[in-house]
Amino acid sequence: NAGVTQTPKFQVLKTGQSMTLQCAQDMNHEYMSWYRQDPGMGLRLIHYSVGAGITDQGEVPNGYNVSRSTTEDFPLRLLSAAPSQTSVYFCASSYGADGNTIYFGEGSWLTVV
Amino acid sequence: AQSVAQPEDQVKVAEGNPLTVKCTYSVSGNPYLFWYVQYPNRGLQFLLKYITGDNLVKGSYGFEAEFNKSQTSFHLKKPSALVSDSALYFCAVRDVFSGGYNKLIFGAGTRLAVHP
Repeated sequence: NAGVTQTPKFQVLKTGQSMTLQCAQDMNHEYMSWYRQDPGMGLRLIHYSVGAGITDQGEVPNGYNVSRSTTEDFPLRLLSAAPSQTSVYFCASSYGADGNTIYFGEGSWLTVV
Repeated sequence: AQSVAQPEDQVKVAEGNPLTVKCTYSVSGNPYLFWYVQYPNRGLQFLLKYITGDNLVKGSYGFEAEFNKSQTSFHLKKPSALVSDSALYFCAVRDVFSGGYNKLIFGAGTRLAVHP
């Protein structure tokens, strides 16, 4: 079972460059989200989606865009990379109701120099 | 404000000894609580959750957690630690103000080191 698949796993960007982190899930989950993980801060929500065509901002949305054209895919775009965006990014998905288990991808390690 | 606290940055135990990773929470209403584990360079893996019912929850890999409402705690435990349990552990609570979206609030994480 593939679950939640993220690519790339590792990426180095120069300041000002743009890129897209890909995320796909094969569990037919309505809800998908992106988190970033920084040392000592746990995971913080960037953007989320409750279904195809619907997205919304989380706690730390600045500098990131998302779209949800299909149930399966939820790409995260960095518009103009900054060193502050150096982080580990996790895509996650779940069924909609509160309390359902959220499943995470393997993570994307991004360094902006 | 809703929050999750993991008071220990690191926990060290000897293999074969019991382990406890602590978590306390602050939320309105009934909490939904979760534990995840992250192995080096890997994603978060779900261990267990408490939604309702028995205060002692059993999960994957021999882990269990006890929900204590009076102490607002949800400590993760294992009777006999393995070296392979060495990882980063996250406690999380459902965000009750998320407008219906299934969102979690995470603690900062506790690094567990099990030595032979």
